[in-house]
Amino acid sequence: DVKVTQSSRYLVKRTGEKVFLECVQDMDHENMFWYRQDPGLGLRLIYFSYDVKMKEKGDIPEGYSVSREKKERFSLILESASTNQTSMYLCAIRRTSGGDIQYFGAGTRLSVL
Amino acid sequence: SQQGEEDPQALSIQEGENATMNCSYKTSINNLQWYRQNSGRGLVHLILIRSNEREKHSGRLRVTLDTSKKSSSLLITASRAADTASYFCATHNTGTASKLTFGTGTRLQVTL
Repeated sequence: DVKVTQSSRYLVKRTGEKVFLECVQDMDHENMFWYRQDPGLGLRLIYFSYDVKMKEKGDIPEGYSVSREKKERFSLILESASTNQTSMYLCAIRRTSGGDIQYFGAGTRLSVL
Repeated sequence: SQQGEEDPQALSIQEGENATMNCSYKTSINNLQWYRQNSGRGLVHLILIRSNEREKHSGRLRVTLDTSKKSSSLLITASRAADTASYFCATHNTGTASKLTFGTGTRLQVTL
């Protein structure tokens, strides 16, 4: 079974803080994704990565950056957290076999006060 | 980005009844997938249907795809209280590499 682990389930931060959200996979999958989920808006793609040190912007990258120094770890960084970044953040990986199915972590609910 | 839209936004049924959710999308696709999300958790993949397929079954799930109408439906038969969750469709759009585009979801409530 594919295992995707997000470091925190709940996180409370203050406006202006630098925030790191970590995602770790237990297999050698190349593709990793960060989404945010808001009521009525579904999942929106922030950034994704094809491989180590490779990244591409998704649909809503503003205010975020990412880091992928090792294949198993994909970090989402909020350089200066703002209240409008309060959301549920979901990490996912894609298996190359099986038709683009994505496997998700349990999510991190971030509150920025 | 172009997101799919699920219909209805919310659905409440009794145990044993069938639940039908619909998804519409806007562009040509390679495949369409359905995912389930229990409250406050991550998404779990349910079923995938390719653009050249019209219907697919998996246990109590039946998915149809009509590419001419750019729509799909998910039928859950003989629903159970444990089916209570949000359901999302996601499309792998042609020419978008490995990205999926998710819909806004249908919240299903199954009561005893």
